Amino acid sequence: AQKITQTQPGMFVQEKEAVTLDCTYDTSDQSYGLFWYKQPSSGEMIFLIYQGSYDEQNATEGRYSLNFQKARKSANLVISASQLGDSAMYFCAMSPNTGNQFYFGTGTSLTVIP
Amino acid sequence: EPEVTQTPSHQVTQMGQEVILRCVPISNHLYFYWYRQILGQKVEFLVSFYNNEISEKSEIFDDQFSVERPDGSNFTLKIRSTKLEDSAMYFCASSPPRAGAITDTQYFGPGTRLTVL
Repeated sequence: AQKITQTQPGMFVQEKEAVTLDCTYDTSDQSYGLFWYKQPSSGEMIFLIYQGSYDEQNATEGRYSLNFQKARKSANLVISASQLGDSAMYFCAMSPNTGNQFYFGTGTSLTVIP
Repeated sequence: EPEVTQTPSHQVTQMGQEVILRCVPISNHLYFYWYRQILGQKVEFLVSFYNNEISEKSEIFDDQFSVERPDGSNFTLKIRSTKLEDSAMYFCASSPPRAGAITDTQYFGPGTRLTVL
């Protein structure tokens, strides 16, 4: 069974500071993909970043980076230089293979304070 | 940049009525999905669709639900007899096949908010 855990229901960060959103996962699959999505108050789900389980380097996309620690089964999202527009819900997700369902965590609500 | 589109953005219906939610996936994608998100909760998988058939479905996706790709561009979710608990945001997603990738990003549409009265 696959499980994604996000233990921070809400986080606050000062504008221009960095913030880490935690995600741990549980799977018996050897290969899988990890994803982060942003959901603003308007409701859409915006893809942010992807990490494959065999990727040795941590993924980066602009201000987003994924701190992947395979042995600990964690895939934390780091947002650098937070902006007011970063205020949103953030969901971690995992899938064992293309065509398979994504398993989502319960999300973390991030608020950026001016 | 190509994107997944969904119509309508908001649907209000009476309990027991049939609803059809429509999606246009990204044109070169081959895998299609429906998810739902009850207000304030996490996103839950409903069904995946590939090569004109369901490839995976969850326990939520019972006989009241069906999916169809009626033509080369649309992907629909039908709920035959809506219940109050079907009120949720419904997301369509699609992903491309990519040789050598463990799994591909699923790109989500903006969602249809379904309200059952």
